[in-house]
Amino acid sequence: GENVEQHPSTLSVQEGDSAVIKCTYSDSASNYFPWYKQELGKGPQLIIDIRSNVGEKKDQRIAVTLNKTAKHFSLHITETQPEDSAVYFCAARFVGGKLIFGQGTELSVKP
Amino acid sequence: DTGVSQNPRHKITKRGQNVTFRCDPISEHNRLYWYRQTLGQGPEFLTYFQNEAQLEKSRLLSDRFSAERPKGSFSTLEIQRTEQGDSAMYLCASSLGGLAGGDTYNEQFFGPGTRLTVL
Repeated sequence: GENVEQHPSTLSVQEGDSAVIKCTYSDSASNYFPWYKQELGKGPQLIIDIRSNVGEKKDQRIAVTLNKTAKHFSLHITETQPEDSAVYFCAARFVGGKLIFGQGTELSVKP
Repeated sequence: DTGVSQNPRHKITKRGQNVTFRCDPISEHNRLYWYRQTLGQGPEFLTYFQNEAQLEKSRLLSDRFSAERPKGSFSTLEIQRTEQGDSAMYLCASSLGGLAGGDTYNEQFFGPGTRLTVL
């Protein structure tokens, strides 16, 4: 079936530490993996994405890695700041373009 | 602001009433998606349009739900005979897309959502 699993559900780090969120997906045909940040009362905001022909992508403090063989992908945030606190969702693109989302990770960065 | 807009932002209704939500996508985007998000969960796919054609509907979309995109621009989502279980955030997203079923990596941009509360 169409499924994306995300872990952990909550993550608390000290300001300046790194945070890692991991996801697995079910369909080996999935070829696009975005990450969204959602703040309270707002819609999800795209922060980074990766395509299946790439193993890693970095944008300033944020990086995403993809292991197609294992059907795993991860979000890495370095030098975390209090404004990084939010709920983060991974997603995988399935047939037709629809996104299937993980359950979300609530990240808390303590000053 | 040229992002995705949704109206209303909040809707409170009584069980059994009908409600309609509107989504205005980014103007050049030909694909429009509807998702539903309940508290503490990720968005769940409901349906999507390529221009005015509705190409896929989730099993979550019961016969009480109907979506339209009459001219390939804005879209409406109607829920008839609302139930308390319909209470959720309804999200709309848009993207550029290729032919139906064709391969595309284009990003989906989300609107702020419409929060529905059914009493």
